This record gives sequence, C-alpha cells and structure tokens, in this order.
Amino acid sequence: DAGITQSPRHKVTETGTPVTLRCHQTENHRYMYWYRQDPGHGLRLIHYSYGVKDTDKGEVSDGYSVSRSKTEDFLLTLESATSSQTSVYFCAISGTRGYNEQFFGPGTRLTVL
Amino acid sequence: DAKTTQPTSMDCAEGRAANLPCNHSTISGNEYVYWYRQIHSQGPQYIIHGLKNNETNEMASLIITEDRKSSTLILPHATLRDTAVYYCIVTSRIMDSNYQLIWGAGTKLIIKP
Repeated sequence: DAGITQSPRHKVTETGTPVTLRCHQTENHRYMYWYRQDPGHGLRLIHYSYGVKDTDKGEVSDGYSVSRSKTEDFLLTLESATSSQTSVYFCAISGTRGYNEQFFGPGTRLTVL
Repeated sequence: DAKTTQPTSMDCAEGRAANLPCNHSTISGNEYVYWYRQIHSQGPQYIIHGLKNNETNEMASLIITEDRKSSTLILPHATLRDTAVYYCIVTSRIMDSNYQLIWGAGTKLIIKP
C-alpha cells in the first residue's frame, strides 16, 4: 500500500471553529488531492496540488483552503467550519504511473456540530 | 455529472466470475476507462484502466467494446473480500485546468457465500 496517512482520523468540532486536516505521504508523488464523500454522492474533489506551492480548485472548493509547503504534506483548512462540512475526507496521491491512478489515504471523519 | 452509467447493485456467488458492466456512450477518443473500488469505510482502491484494448492485471480484467461505448470489469474468482462499491470513471489523461475525476454512485457488488 502507498504510504499515505491522514490526521486526525476522527474529529468533532463546533460550528465556526477553524479545522485543519493533514495528509502526509512518503512516496514523493507530485500530485495530491483532497476529496469529500457524503451519503448519496460520489467522491467530490475539493482541491488538488500539482507541486509544492502549486494548487488549484476542484468541484467543491468553497469554504476550504489548502497549502502545500513540502512535497510530503498537503493541508486542508476549514476557516470556519459549518454543519454542511460534516463529511468523510479522503486524501489521495498520484505520480509516476499517471495522475489518474490515485492512491487513497484511510480518510478523516469530521463532524461539525 | 458522471459520464458513465452503472447498475446500482449486483450479487455474485463466491468463487464465480463477477462481471460489472459500465456504459459510457459519450466517451471521446482520448478518454480512458478507469475502475476503482471502495470497500466499506476505506479509501478507494485503483483496479485497472484501458483505452481500447482489453487489459488484465493481478486483480481483474477489463473488456472494452470495439465502439468503446461500454466496458465490463471481470473479477475472475470472486471472494467475500471483493464485496465493495465499484466505480467506472471515464477521463482524459491530459492534465488541464478543468481536470478532475468524476465519481458517480458506482455499483455495490455483494459476494454471497
């Protein structure tokens, strides 16, 4: 399995608080992604990165920001969490075998009360 | 919206071949067919992809029709551990500003003893 970890794995927070999720890889892959998964929806891309300090928006980027200061870390920040951001968040990486062949982390379950 | 159509659910007996269909009638010439699966509560797992020739790897076989409007993922000897949601995704391999994998609802495959 690809070396991808996510932290925290579970988090409960209150509306209006800032939240940062971390994705860490040991594969030195160029591309990193953040998805959310909700019941009744497939995975939806939030943001992705194609290199250090190079990021772009995905389908559902409103309310989220990202940063990538090192190849191995991709941070997802909810500046002011809302209940609609309650979801399971997956990080993915891709690289040497093409960016469509993505390897996923174990996920973070976030609950915003 | 997803560019593919898959059955919502399927059953298969353990030890038999599981054949998962996917329709992608609007696929264009530079688009590939990718298959992923997601076992309950885990991150998705890449299975296989193809352009127009049939492909086989250690996990599965992919059969693409000559007109490329549909494909079938074959798990040759299904086990209980193959119970998962299977996603068929059509995408270009070219990175552009609008790049993203579009995930539909997939097919829930249940392997029965």
